[in-house]
Amino acid sequence: NAGVTQTPKFQVLKTGQSMTLQCAQDMNHEYMSWYRQDPGMGLRLIHYSVGAGITDQGEVPNGYNVSRSTTEDFPLRLLSAAPSQTSVYFCASSRTPGGNTIYFGEGSWLTVV
Amino acid sequence: KNQVEQSPQSLIILEGKNCTLQCNYTVSPFSNLRWYKQDTGRGPVSLTIMTFSENTKSNGRYTATLDADTKQSSLHITASQLSDSASYICVVSELGGYNKLIFGAGTRLAVHP
Repeated sequence: NAGVTQTPKFQVLKTGQSMTLQCAQDMNHEYMSWYRQDPGMGLRLIHYSVGAGITDQGEVPNGYNVSRSTTEDFPLRLLSAAPSQTSVYFCASSRTPGGNTIYFGEGSWLTVV
Repeated sequence: KNQVEQSPQSLIILEGKNCTLQCNYTVSPFSNLRWYKQDTGRGPVSLTIMTFSENTKSNGRYTATLDADTKQSSLHITASQLSDSASYICVVSELGGYNKLIFGAGTRLAVHP
């Protein structure tokens, strides 16, 4: 049981490049979400999904796209990277929204130069 | 605006000592309050979750309290160990919709030998 798996762990991008952060969970959770963590701030919600085929925007969605074609996978796409997107990204999953236990991935450190 | 404020921002204690971390929130309507531990370079891991009717919950050497009337919570760590060095994050869930999570910025705890 791997829990929530994120890849890559580290990535450096040039401004304007695109990339996809991968997130997979093996717990058959319906609810998945992406957060970013910046110094001195709490985690902020980027996008979330309540099930396959259903996604919605969170607090800071600009510059990011998501899709949910399967229950297991929830990739986050950066369309045209900007230095302001330099951050640590966490994927999370739970059985229900705000479910008792929310599992986080190990994080993806992204630097945009 | 719904907010979660944590204090202190950082704390240094000696191994074996106790400490208490504080969390004040203005989130309404309230669903639940969670404490997470985040080791450096890792994702957050759940310590406790409390609903409106619960005023204390323990997880080993960690004891969380909740005063829903004053909208305050604390996390007490007993007999600290070097492995307790981490950031501790208070998270409040807003009732309704997708039970939005509002994260505090965390308290960074360093336990020294």
